[in-house]
Amino acid sequence: AQTVTQSQPEMSVQEAETVTLSCTYDTSESDYYLFWYKQPPSRQMILVIRQEAYKQQNATENRFSVNFQKAAKSFSLKISDSQLGDAAMYFCAYRGEFITSGTYKYIFGTGTRLKVLA
Amino acid sequence: DAEITQSPRHKITETGRQVTLACHQTWNHNNMFWYRQDLGHGLRLIHYSYGVQDTNKGEVSDGYSVSRSNTEDLPLTLESAASSQTSVYFCASSTTAGELFFGEGSRLTVL
Repeated sequence: AQTVTQSQPEMSVQEAETVTLSCTYDTSESDYYLFWYKQPPSRQMILVIRQEAYKQQNATENRFSVNFQKAAKSFSLKISDSQLGDAAMYFCAYRGEFITSGTYKYIFGTGTRLKVLA
Repeated sequence: DAEITQSPRHKITETGRQVTLACHQTWNHNNMFWYRQDLGHGLRLIHYSYGVQDTNKGEVSDGYSVSRSNTEDLPLTLESAASSQTSVYFCASSTTAGELFFGEGSRLTVL
């Protein structure tokens, strides 16, 4: 079965600095998607970035980028120029395992709480 | 704009009572999901549906049920609420190939 592991329960970063959140996963599938979701205190889950496993190029969205290492099954999120609004819980998620017609299974890590220090 | 809404946002109930959490999406997505979020566990799948009249159990389905009578709604029912079901519940929807879109969550407290 697929698993997603976020080994850092909490991280801190100084405003304007760069921080990297770690995520590893285990799967035997070759075709899958990986996501990072942000959950601010409002509880709303917001998609930050997505990566298709068949793409070698790392995804980038403004200040957010990933380091996708398929062989190592690693999917870290780098936040550059950290802002106070980046403070949130961040969840890594794996989408794979076609479980039924038109539906995929999503597996989430336990989350990393990011604190941004002014 | 299309959206996904949950109600109520907060609910306090007593052990043994039946509780229903509503989820409504206007994206016309076929796939809908219910997750619960607990500290140290991330999000765990309760039930999911890939279309009208289709429902399936997730990894933590005991004590929960869902029904899908139309595309827009997937209500989650706790038949007899237990203290272990105190949690934050998220509804989500997706297209076949797309990412999940989440509601704002419903915080349920069972006393």
